[in-house]
Amino acid sequence: AQSVAQPEDQVNVAEGNPLTVKCTYSVSGNPYLFWYVQYPNRGLQFLLKYITGDNLVKGSYGFEAEFNKSQTSFHLKKPSALVSDSALYFCAVRDAGNMLTFGGGTRLMVKP
Amino acid sequence: ETGVTQSPTHLIKTRGQQVTLRCSSQSGHNTVSWYQQALGQGPQFIFQYYREEENGRGNFPPRFSGLQFPNYSSELNVNALELDDSALYLCASSGALGRGDGETQYFGPGTRLLVL
Repeated sequence: AQSVAQPEDQVNVAEGNPLTVKCTYSVSGNPYLFWYVQYPNRGLQFLLKYITGDNLVKGSYGFEAEFNKSQTSFHLKKPSALVSDSALYFCAVRDAGNMLTFGGGTRLMVKP
Repeated sequence: ETGVTQSPTHLIKTRGQQVTLRCSSQSGHNTVSWYQQALGQGPQFIFQYYREEENGRGNFPPRFSGLQFPNYSSELNVNALELDDSALYLCASSGALGRGDGETQYFGPGTRLLVL
C-alpha cells in the first residue's frame, strides 16, 4: 500500500526567507507526486506535480519541488516566502487507478 | 478557482439520517473522485467514478455510495449517518489518464457536513 509522510505539523518562517515543507513517500512502481494547498474553509488548490522528467518541478505562485528517488522524498520549496503563503499544505501520491493518498498536512506560518 | 462546484456548502444532519452531496465536474473532465477530510487530517479517498461506473473504492463502508450522470456530474450518498461522518467532503474531477493533464485532480470547495 502506498503512503505519504509529512513529518512537520507546522513550519514557521519569516517573510522573505526560503521555505521548505518536507514530504516522503512509499509506493510500488513509479511515483506520481503532487502538492496541494488549502486555505481556511476552502478546497484544495493544485500547486505542482512530478510525473517523470526533471527532478526539479516548478509550479504555481513561485513554488517548486525536488524529487529525490533515493531518499523517496518530494520536498516543497520557495526561495522567498510571503505572508500570503500561510496555509495548509498537502503532499499526495497517486496510484495506478488515479486514487490520491495524502499526507497529514503541514501548516505553514509566514510571519512579517 | 477550478471549474468544480459542490452543493450544498454546509449541511447539518442528525445521526441515522441520510444525506446527498452533489458535484459538477470541470468542463472536459470525465472522472470524479470523492474524498472525506476530517478535522485536522488529510483527505481520504472514498471512491471514484469514470464514465458512470465506480472505478475504485477506498476503505469506506457500503453506506457510502455514489452515482455519476451522463454529463459527468456526481452524487455522494451517505446512509445511516454517524457522528464520525462529520467532515469536509471534497469532490475532484480529472480528465483521461495519459492524455494531457489527466493525472491532475482539481478540487471543488467542499461540503461541510455536521452530524449531531
